[in-house]
Amino acid sequence: EVQLLESGGGLVQPGGSLRLSCAASGFTFSSYAMSWVRQAPGKGLEWVSAISGSGGSTYYADSVKGRFTISRDNSKNTLYLQMNSLRAEDTAVYYCAKGLIQKRTRDAFDIWGQGTMVTVSS
Amino acid sequence: DIQMTQSPSTLSASVGDRVTITCRASQSISSWLAWYQQKPGKAPKLLIYKASSLESGVPSRFSGSGSGTEFTLTISSLQPDDFATYYCQQYNSYSPGRTFGQGTKVEIK
Repeated sequence: EVQLLESGGGLVQPGGSLRLSCAASGFTFSSYAMSWVRQAPGKGLEWVSAISGSGGSTYYADSVKGRFTISRDNSKNTLYLQMNSLRAEDTAVYYCAKGLIQKRTRDAFDIWGQGTMVTVSS
Repeated sequence: DIQMTQSPSTLSASVGDRVTITCRASQSISSWLAWYQQKPGKAPKLLIYKASSLESGVPSRFSGSGSGTEFTLTISSLQPDDFATYYCQQYNSYSPGRTFGQGTKVEIK
């Protein structure tokens, strides 16, 4: 079964850091681009960041550029999001999502994790 | 920057109704558009990709159309399980702008 499982969320103070992980199973992880998408409480979906299958290309929304870093370890089938200089407006459920087609960098997302909550508050 | 605009924001309908949701892109995205359904507390579910291709396992009452800048999602006969929020997403480029539409909540009339 194709599955994504996020972890690492929690409560952090403004200015703090957090690292999210997304463990993938059931598919050839290195063949697919992966993304992080977040959803603030009661709000819509916001694409945050994406990374190609090889990890050689990365993309960020303006709202997180310079503060967040996406990476992947294909030997461990795991996606990461390092979040620094966190702000109250970063409070959201963070989902990892898998690209639909192999080797496409920009794609629809056919598999989503269950999400992990990040709360930035003092 | 590509901006995605969905309408309406909320839609009240009855079981059996035909429902149409519109998504507009601020510039051409060819057919690189997806539709998702999200229920409260759950992750989004892919319904349609490449504007009109039905994802495996999705009921045939869902259909998508359009290209360029204007797209529609149609539910031919609304079922009780379809009351949810629907989002469009452009994947023509990783634009700094709004990749997802704002969402359309389909409510029971």
